Amino acid sequence: DGGITQSPKYLFRKEGQNVTLSCEQNLNHDAMYWYRQDPGQGLRLIYYSQIVNDFQKGDIAEGYSVSREKKESFPLTVTSAQKNPTAFYLCASSIGPDTSYEQYFGPGTRLTVT
Amino acid sequence: KQEVTQIPAALSVPEGENLVLNCSFTDSAIYNLQWFRQDPGKGLTSLLLIQSSQREQTSGRLNASLDKSSGRSTLYIAASQPGDSATYLCAVTSYSGAGSYQLTFGKGTKLSVIP
Repeated sequence: DGGITQSPKYLFRKEGQNVTLSCEQNLNHDAMYWYRQDPGQGLRLIYYSQIVNDFQKGDIAEGYSVSREKKESFPLTVTSAQKNPTAFYLCASSIGPDTSYEQYFGPGTRLTVT
Repeated sequence: KQEVTQIPAALSVPEGENLVLNCSFTDSAIYNLQWFRQDPGKGLTSLLLIQSSQREQTSGRLNASLDKSSGRSTLYIAASQPGDSATYLCAVTSYSGAGSYQLTFGKGTKLSVIP
């Protein structure tokens, strides 16, 4: 089955620790995205990548980092510099290098930092 | 900057009723509009995508319309069922500069269909 997988589903970390969220897709999509969702707010774009070895900051990139070494994978690292890291994180992908194509979403990772 | 608003924030209807969810956006220069469904604690499922040149899209009991000039879209759900209970999100794709496009989301409408 083609799709997007995110792991783990739930993640708990102590304040001050970096943590990496996994996102893998087997849809052969060029573009991948990371969003953050907080209660009562819409999804906000953290980072996106249009092609391998290239990525751009979204609206709320501070305190996050990404890499795109393979077409299938787009891991997100939440660093200790992110002031409010507890949130639901969603990864998405689309066929083309721009987001005018339909985006497909993974199941999400809920990160709790205490 | 593009802003997307969804009204109402929550809606409760009896089973079998037809209903309409509303979405408005501030910049009419969009490339497409997507309606998503999100179940609690889950990812987003794409329901319908309307290209900027289209007026509506249909899938089963769902019909989405787009009036780009007025910055509005509606999602019509016919003969609602308890299984339709979820949060429905509207998102528009707009040009964000430097050859890139961005999806801007509304905060969603939480729908409850009462048996």
